[in-house]
Amino acid sequence: DAKTTQPTSMDCAEGRAANLPCNHSTISGNEYVYWYRQIHSQGPQYIIHGLKNNETNEMASLIITEDRKSSTLILPHATLRDTAVYYCIVRNTGGFKTIFGAGTRLFVKA
Amino acid sequence: DTAVSQTPKYLVTQMGNDKSIKCEQNLGHDTMYWYKQDSKKFLKIMFSYNNKELIINETVPNRFSPKSPDKAHLNLHINSLELGDSAVYFCASSQVPVSYEQYFGPGTRLTVT
Repeated sequence: DAKTTQPTSMDCAEGRAANLPCNHSTISGNEYVYWYRQIHSQGPQYIIHGLKNNETNEMASLIITEDRKSSTLILPHATLRDTAVYYCIVRNTGGFKTIFGAGTRLFVKA
Repeated sequence: DTAVSQTPKYLVTQMGNDKSIKCEQNLGHDTMYWYKQDSKKFLKIMFSYNNKELIINETVPNRFSPKSPDKAHLNLHINSLELGDSAVYFCASSQVPVSYEQYFGPGTRLTVT
């Protein structure tokens, strides 16, 4: 699985968009980008995933650059309940060795 | 209606003891997993079962033994507990093996003294 790099922490004002970046410069052609989050004292929660195209669901949007070396998770209208650690993971569907790294701690402030 | 449940939520025990953590999912999923989250918050997979058969067995001490009595349950038994076993253990499930969309339980915080 390709290595990812994320900022340690970020702040966001409530109601504003939260843009969380992730670098994955060694990503290979069959590897997907996945995002999970973990709210304090809870289990991880799947958010979204993508391969090449931008993706959107009820929780978030995922923007993947054309060279696929980086991506951005967008929470369009952050709420206090979105305060969590967000993990960017790159893996292919054939293998399975999901290791959640340090992630980005997002603080949404009122 | 809890999708993935674990018991107990907290477990404090002494070194050398044997303990079990139970996991149940009511999602009808075929695959279940055990993860360990250490003090630095790194989450690593330990085991995975699909239809009661072991499909992933990462490098963990053989003191850890998973048991899947049926598709809805995956229990984790730990023998001769050590201080380094202190962590939060998460159970998860997915519809199919190695799926990206996994549903996690609330975790069991194990403290070995």
